[in-house]
Amino acid sequence: SQQGEEDPQALSIQEGENATMNCSYKTSINNLQWYRQNSGRGLVHLILIRSNEREKHSGRLRVTLDTSKKSSSLLITASRAADTASYFCATDAVATDSWGKLQFGAGTQVVVTP
Amino acid sequence: KAGVTQTPRYLIKTRGQQVTLSCSPISGHRSVSWYQQTPGQGLQFLFEYFSETQRNKGNFPGRFSGRQFSNSRSEMNVSTLELGDSALYLCASSPTDRVNYGYTFGSGTRLTVV
Repeated sequence: SQQGEEDPQALSIQEGENATMNCSYKTSINNLQWYRQNSGRGLVHLILIRSNEREKHSGRLRVTLDTSKKSSSLLITASRAADTASYFCATDAVATDSWGKLQFGAGTQVVVTP
Repeated sequence: KAGVTQTPRYLIKTRGQQVTLSCSPISGHRSVSWYQQTPGQGLQFLFEYFSETQRNKGNFPGRFSGRQFSNSRSEMNVSTLELGDSALYLCASSPTDRVNYGYTFGSGTRLTVV
């Protein structure tokens, strides 16, 4: 079973628009990470936010984390066609049996049309 | 520096056969994790190795096994293949300080069982 839920499952936008996706999780975490996957290839690490951080930026990406609500959001500003991909949130849990184990959400499929 | 390298990229096997997949982590990373990705179950954790020791294991049958060598390279083996083992297998490596640096994934091995 997966720890996280992502919302929406799919998102279709035009180039230049912003894309926002949300992630909820269930347990205490060390950090939350966002990954991108293009057409069933490998996962590309986008950004990591630690549990004691509330917001982080990287280029056109903005991530927020609310540990009281156990939720996170990823905002991609000024979307480009190359941003078309599936986006996954993943949590690194505090639990002692979490070594090397990320819990992934089901992903949000983003399509950016020119 | 070189990323995480997985070989082979694609495999086609017949039911009942066995398969071995390889993963070379980023130089200096001692932790290697393996994941299975399928359309139905999403990304699921298989196991994690650190310094040649399995530290964590997911809920997969004993047909799935792995090992890690002294140079941190890892292999996973699936015996008596079933049709349901068809999936994208991803490995990830992380530094000791995974809380602050997260994981780097390889491009995956696409296994098709016929």
